[in-house]
Order: sequence, then structure tokens, then C-alpha cells
Amino acid sequence: EDKVVQSPLSLVVHEGDTVTLNCSYEVTNFRSLLWYKQEKKAPTFLFMLTSSGIEKKSGRLSSILDKKELSSILNITATQTGDSAIYLCAPTGGGSEKLVFGKGTKLTVNP
Amino acid sequence: DTAVSQTPKYLVTQMGNDKSIKCEQNLGHDTMYWYKQDSKKFLKIMFSYNNKELIINETVPNRFSPKSPDKAHLNLHINSLELGDSAVYFCASSGRSGSYEQYFGPGTRLTVT
Repeated sequence: EDKVVQSPLSLVVHEGDTVTLNCSYEVTNFRSLLWYKQEKKAPTFLFMLTSSGIEKKSGRLSSILDKKELSSILNITATQTGDSAIYLCAPTGGGSEKLVFGKGTKLTVNP
Repeated sequence: DTAVSQTPKYLVTQMGNDKSIKCEQNLGHDTMYWYKQDSKKFLKIMFSYNNKELIINETVPNRFSPKSPDKAHLNLHINSLELGDSAVYFCASSGRSGSYEQYFGPGTRLTVT
């Protein structure tokens, strides 16, 4: 069965801190891994990673995939209160290439 | 312009009723999805349609029936609602199935009493 584990499940930091969120996966027919940010409503797309070792960057957020270790990390530098959200990792897997979501990491950034 | 829209945003109904949730996307995408997010915030795929054809059908009770009249619309009909159906239901779409970013609708919060 496809499995996605995110850690930590919950994280509380102060503004300005740097955080690293982890995602490990075991899925069949892996093609890519996606990161989403979910605040109060719908998940919003952050990154899609397909190649190992190539960092994707958007502002203070960056992410990298390690296919050998079956894992990915999401880094956020100089955190702001607006970064408070649940961060979801979703590799594609299964026979139909569906996204398999982890339970997410709840990040709280305090002022 | 809203990319993926869902109606209604909130739905409160009694056990045993039948209800529908509608989804529309104006992104020109070929693939649409329904997800269920439970009270623990776990997001799980239910169905996926590619160009009106069902391609993913997870282990979902038969009371749930998706319908795609065209590739821009994917509706979800639920018969004989149960308490355990209470959740937030998200519609999403992507340019192609599987390995491409999916764009989510705002969600429909269903409460069954």
C-alpha cells in the first residue's frame, strides 16, 4: 500500500526562524512529488519535483527531492506569520498515477 | 476569475438525504478529481475523470457517484447520507492525469446531522 510520512506533524517557531519539513514516501510507479500549502481553505500548489538533487526555489521557500532515499524536504527561511499553514506532501503513485497525500505538517509561526 | 469553483460552499443536511456538489473549472484542463478531507485534515482521493472518462475510483461506497457531463464539470452525488460522510470535499483539476500540478477548488463543507 502507498505510504507517505511527513515529519514533524506539528511545529511552532518564531518569526525569522528557518524550518525544514520532511516527507518520506513509498509509492508504486513514482513519477513526481508535489508540495502544497493549505491555510484555511483549499491547498495551493507550491512545487513539483521530478528529478533528484535539483532544488526548486520560490522566494523564501525551496524544496529538493532525493529519489534514492525516497524523500523530500521543504525549507522555509526567515519565516513570517503568513507562513502559518499545513504543508502537504504528495507523491504520485499507484497504478493510476494519483496523488497520495501525507497527513501534513502544521506550521505555526509566532510573531 | 475563479479557476476551480464548487457549489455549495456549505451543506448541512440530515442522515438519509441525497445531495449533490457541483464543480466547474475554466482552466481548459482535461482531468478533474474529487477529494475528501476528514476532521483530521487527511486528504484522500475519491475519483478522477480524464476527458469525461473515469480513471480513478478509490474504495468509495456506492452511495457516491461522480458524473462528468463535459470535461469542465465534475459533479458528485451522494445518496443516503451518513454521519461519517461529514467532511470537506475538494474538487481539483490538472492539465493531465497524475504527474502534474492539481489546482483545488475552495471546498464544500458537508455536515450530516
